[in-house]
Amino acid sequence: GENVEQHPSTLSVQEGDSAVIKCTYSDSASNYFPWYKQELGKRPQLIIDIRSNVGEKKDQRIAVTLNKTAKHFSLHITETQPEDSAVYFCAASIRTTGNQFYFGTGTSLTVIP
Amino acid sequence: DTAVSQTPKYLVTQMGNDKSIKCEQNLGHDTMYWYKQDSKKFLKIMFSYNNKELIINETVPNRFSPKSPDKAHLNLHINSLELGDSAVYFCASSQVGTGNLGSNQPQHFGDGTRLSIL
Repeated sequence: GENVEQHPSTLSVQEGDSAVIKCTYSDSASNYFPWYKQELGKRPQLIIDIRSNVGEKKDQRIAVTLNKTAKHFSLHITETQPEDSAVYFCAASIRTTGNQFYFGTGTSLTVIP
Repeated sequence: DTAVSQTPKYLVTQMGNDKSIKCEQNLGHDTMYWYKQDSKKFLKIMFSYNNKELIINETVPNRFSPKSPDKAHLNLHINSLELGDSAVYFCASSQVGTGNLGSNQPQHFGDGTRLSIL
């Protein structure tokens, strides 16, 4: 089955700096890669996603890149703000009968004012 | 109008009891899931149902029994609760896309049920 690894597990950055979170996956059949943000005590919420026919996607301060050959994808947050502090999860999805999602272990991001 | 709703939000109970958590989605999605999130924050898949049929049943004790009366509902019943069952349980749903590449859709999560075993 699919195995998703996520690094780092914790990340602290100064406000205004950039943050990068990296994930790797094992199954080349994975073709959809969402990223979720989970604030303390809240539910995971989708912040950006990328499909396997695209190499990069950007939405304001966040961007995701995908390298299918190397089987890795990354989340980039620029100009970080204190409200970016949260746990971020990457996931890889294989479209079979019902969507199967495989999550990384999460990155706890702290933005220091 | 909540898309994925779980009840109850909090559940505090004694070891050995039986309890249920309910989940409903009004998004018209085909697939529903249950996840367990422990104190280390890892989202562990427990079950996945597609159109009321069980798709994924990860290594979960058989004290946990999901029930999907229709594709908008996926309930979780837990027998003989143990201390290690204390966690936040999230329900989620997603739509299986049609066509080939690029048809997957993201999951939508409920607000979670915080289960505490005394």
